[in-house]
Amino acid sequence: KAGVTQTPRYLIKTRGQQVTLSCSPISGHRSVSWYQQTPGQGLQFLFEYFSETQRNKGNFPGRFSGRQFSNSRSEMNVSTLELGDSALYLCASRPIDRGVSTEAFFGQGTRLTVV
Amino acid sequence: QQQVKQSPQSLIVQKGGISIINCAYENTAFDYFPWYQQFPGKGPALLIAIRPDVSEKKEGRFTISFNKSAKQFSLHIMDSQPGDSATYFCAASMGTGANNLFFGTGTRLTVIP
Repeated sequence: KAGVTQTPRYLIKTRGQQVTLSCSPISGHRSVSWYQQTPGQGLQFLFEYFSETQRNKGNFPGRFSGRQFSNSRSEMNVSTLELGDSALYLCASRPIDRGVSTEAFFGQGTRLTVV
Repeated sequence: QQQVKQSPQSLIVQKGGISIINCAYENTAFDYFPWYQQFPGKGPALLIAIRPDVSEKKEGRFTISFNKSAKQFSLHIMDSQPGDSATYFCAASMGTGANNLFFGTGTRLTVIP
């Protein structure tokens, strides 16, 4: 089975621009979560999508948004980029089994640099 | 605030030694406690996970010890190898509804040959 695929791997953007990151989950996984990883804050949860609906959201400003498509692929968007948005953005997919916590599989991430 | 506290921040161990990383949590609703290993340039990969109904789980050289009453859990890496050099994260999540992972701050392990 192919793993979680994130594109692009690297991205450089200018302050004020917007960016869209893509994530293809493992086949059959319907839950997709996004995390931001920075040296200062560590791994922080952004949001989770399941069956095209946002189920859960972390403590990030509204500039961070996402969506999920019917094939479970997900995108996250960051508008009006700030220098502090520079981070590794990780996508994780999980199978869902009656709401019980299950293993989350992470992609390699998209390294976003805002200049 | 940090929902999962992890220590130490960094750890240097001799090859063949035992690496021990500790985590503590406050939220008693957590019911799933995974450990992730991350190499530079890669995403975190699940190493081993435990649920609170058992006190210990072993997979190869990796063991999780879980103390429900103290709200602590730890990762033991036996016979540590240079290839184990990586950053390790503990995490916790709740079973129903909001099962996003709350991560510890990470431990950078270096195993010296």
